Amino acid sequence: AQSVTQLGSHVSVSEGALVLLRCNYSSSVPPYLFWYVQYPNQGLQLLLKYTTGATLVKGINGFEAEFKKSETSFHLTKPSAHMSDAAEYFCAVMRRGGSNYKLTFGKGTLLTVNP
Amino acid sequence: TAGITQAPTSQILAAGRSMTLRCTQDMRHNAMYWYRQDLGLGLRLIHYSNTAGTTGKGEVPDGYSVSRANTDDFPLTLASAVPSQTSVYFCASSDGYQQIYSTGELFFGEGSRLTVL
Repeated sequence: AQSVTQLGSHVSVSEGALVLLRCNYSSSVPPYLFWYVQYPNQGLQLLLKYTTGATLVKGINGFEAEFKKSETSFHLTKPSAHMSDAAEYFCAVMRRGGSNYKLTFGKGTLLTVNP
Repeated sequence: TAGITQAPTSQILAAGRSMTLRCTQDMRHNAMYWYRQDLGLGLRLIHYSNTAGTTGKGEVPDGYSVSRANTDDFPLTLASAVPSQTSVYFCASSDGYQQIYSTGELFFGEGSRLTVL
């Protein structure tokens, strides 16, 4: 079975500071990996994903994440936080080679950006 | 473009009553999903459907049922609501169930907030 652990349910940064949201996964084979963002009172939308190829993945709004197989990690970063980045972020995994697309989500990290 | 439409946006329901949450997509996606979101627990899969005519159980299926009569609609029914089903429910879809053909991305509706008293 696969699982996702997001370290820190709440992360607070100052505007302009580095954003680092941590995600570790457990899976018998390297899975597909995703980061989704949820703004208040909205559904989730895809930030970025890793399926194959380059392990450093760039997404929307200046976010990027690096797949590190040896560390079973897929941490999300952004060099400089904006107020508009305040939201909840979910890491998710999907089993590679499976017959359907069931995503397993982490419990989420709420990002607060202080002026 | 509409994408995924959920209804109602919010609902207060008496315990023991039945309720159907509606979900419609206009993207012709094969796969559809129902998740519930609870504080501190993230999103948990209730039921899914790989293609019209088939459904499957997710992580927390008890107390819920689904049907998939056609590609576009995937309603979620609570036959006899209980307070523990108070949650925000999200419907989602993806563009294929053979991974070789799919981007793997899920598209989400804006959620239905259900309160069971």
